[in-house]
Amino acid sequence: DTAVSQTPKYLVTQMGNDKSIKCEQNLGHDTMYWYKQDSKKFLKIMFSYNNKELIINETVPNRFSPKSPDKAHLNLHINSLELGDSAVYFCASSTSRRSYYTFGSGTRLTVV
Amino acid sequence: QKEVEQDPGPLSVPEGAIVSLNCTYSNSAFQYFMWYRQYSRKGPELLMYTYSSGNKEDGRFTAQVDKSSKYISLFIRDSQPSDSATYLCAILWHAGGTSYGKLTFGQGTILTVHP
Repeated sequence: DTAVSQTPKYLVTQMGNDKSIKCEQNLGHDTMYWYKQDSKKFLKIMFSYNNKELIINETVPNRFSPKSPDKAHLNLHINSLELGDSAVYFCASSTSRRSYYTFGSGTRLTVV
Repeated sequence: QKEVEQDPGPLSVPEGAIVSLNCTYSNSAFQYFMWYRQYSRKGPELLMYTYSSGNKEDGRFTAQVDKSSKYISLFIRDSQPSDSATYLCAILWHAGGTSYGKLTFGQGTILTVHP
């Protein structure tokens, strides 16, 4: 049973396309996150949702739009993809009162 | 100044060596200190978690926090090839008295333990 699952694991697409990444957690957590890891392994938070409500929105281009249909799901839609969007995107979840984040295995996005 | 600074390495040691990984942080309000381990093509997994200054030990791993100097360390004793991974320090803090935490990572240190 995968605790935090992301689909797809790999995504290769052309510049200018629109793509979505999906995330689901079965841990009963109420908070979910999107992180971006660049080629130098630096992991940076993008968004956080608590019970479907956006609570953290870092400085991210508005081409990135997260959506949380329920507290077990957090999707990331990216419009007009650019070369610089190539990275590994990680979904994570936690409870709002605890410090332990559980990460998915990542989606490796390559924009060509 | 970045919130969390970590030397990215890479660090290469022989099997059995003691490994020392370090981070510094900028904000004395930070409350929770963690170490995550990330194997190649996998997500980060929580390795150690400390709240206060001092040491916390778990098997071959010891996490150390010095709040007075804003310095956190991870020591690995008797290192094994299976310890080869990227180690990320992380700080969790609750800004503005909210219950929502924000986990901020250092750059990660790539460790290779060779047989």
